[in-house]
Amino acid sequence: DPKIIQKPKYLVAVTGSEKILICEQYLGHNAMYWYRQSAKKPLEFMFSYSYQKLMDNQTASSRFQPQSSKKNHLDLQITALKPDDSATYFCASSQDQDWGDAEQFFGPGTRLTVL
Amino acid sequence: GDSVTQTEGQVALSEEDFLTIHCNYSASGYPTLFWYVQYPGEGPQLLFRASRDKEKGSSRGFEATYDKGTTSFHLRKASVQESDSAVYYCALKSGNYKYVFGAGTRLKVIA
Repeated sequence: DPKIIQKPKYLVAVTGSEKILICEQYLGHNAMYWYRQSAKKPLEFMFSYSYQKLMDNQTASSRFQPQSSKKNHLDLQITALKPDDSATYFCASSQDQDWGDAEQFFGPGTRLTVL
Repeated sequence: GDSVTQTEGQVALSEEDFLTIHCNYSASGYPTLFWYVQYPGEGPQLLFRASRDKEKGSSRGFEATYDKGTTSFHLRKASVQESDSAVYYCALKSGNYKYVFGAGTRLKVIA
């Protein structure tokens, strides 16, 4: 059974539109993350959450907004989409980072194409 | 800020060749270092990690030794197989809630 679910697997959007990328993890983890992978930046850290609180934000644009409705959910809302936003977006999770050096588990990704 | 540098962008080898992928990092203190592997269509998955100077991490025949003196964590495997073809990422834990990844090295092993 998949432990981290990302929906949809593929997504095509038009410039200027808004989309939400879904992420659910069933590993019992408290920390969740978003990464972006494109040809320009192979694996780029975007956000981290712990116990549904934002811990780190490396995304300059406010068009990217994480949303955590439950401890095991961290969705990513992207507004005013641009062609440069085309990438594969990975969700990841781990045990809370205050102790130890927990391994991150990655989901299968959502491949976003903005036309 | 903290950073990870992988020297090789792509590596092409024949089966049973020896593999080295170089990883150097820049960070204060003793960050935990990781190697991840990513197969086509999947997310990265952990190969192994190391947290202390001279600690060796290993998995599936791959290994790397944490070297604080040279700030390196080079990935090695004595005899690669075609099934090892993938993208390999070196990473470090930067603070409590952030990981920094290198640019990745695409390994292609020819049978």
